Amino acid sequence: GENVEQHPSTLSVQEGDSAVIKCTYSDSASNYFPWYKQELGKGPQLIIDIRSNVGEKKDQRIAVTLNKTAKHFSLHITETQPEDSAVYFCAASRNQGGKLIFGQGTELSVKP
Amino acid sequence: NAGVTQTPKFQVLKTGQSMTLQCAQDMNHNSMYWYRQDPGMGLRLIYYSASEGTTDKGEVPNGYNVSRLNKREFSLRLESAAPSQTSVYFCASRKGTGSNTEAFFGQGTRLTVV
Repeated sequence: GENVEQHPSTLSVQEGDSAVIKCTYSDSASNYFPWYKQELGKGPQLIIDIRSNVGEKKDQRIAVTLNKTAKHFSLHITETQPEDSAVYFCAASRNQGGKLIFGQGTELSVKP
Repeated sequence: NAGVTQTPKFQVLKTGQSMTLQCAQDMNHNSMYWYRQDPGMGLRLIYYSASEGTTDKGEVPNGYNVSRLNKREFSLRLESAAPSQTSVYFCASRKGTGSNTEAFFGQGTRLTVV
């Protein structure tokens, strides 16, 4: 079945450094790849997404890259700030109404 | 605009008891989902409903049942709770038509089975 693997499980960086989280997916028919941020005690919220017809997307300090051939995608956060500390999840989906499968999550800690 | 509302927020059950987790969305979304979140395991899909009138198994459906009551509501039932079902449960919804779109999540239900 569909599977999404996410690494690393924990990541600690100094404020101002960059952070990179990587995911691989198994279903070659997947065409939508969102990233979610979850703060303590809350539900996940979308921060950026990418569709299979583009290789990269950027929104201010956050960027996502997609390699369809290798079936992996990555989240890049530049100039990290303490408020970036949270759990981040990647996900993959084949079609608009179907399964949305998540990775295991990465706990990011940004130290002042 | 409430978004996705889950009830209850917290629940403690004894082994063997049953309960239903409620979820409602007010965004006119077609697709709804139930996930469980456990440390180190991420968000695992229990069941989903691609559209009103349909439900399908996800990654970890055993021990659960669901009902898509109408377009707004999607409930998750534990018939005989087990300690292994101690978890945080999240309901989510998304548009489900046209291009793939983001999922919106509720605040979660923290369930403890003793």
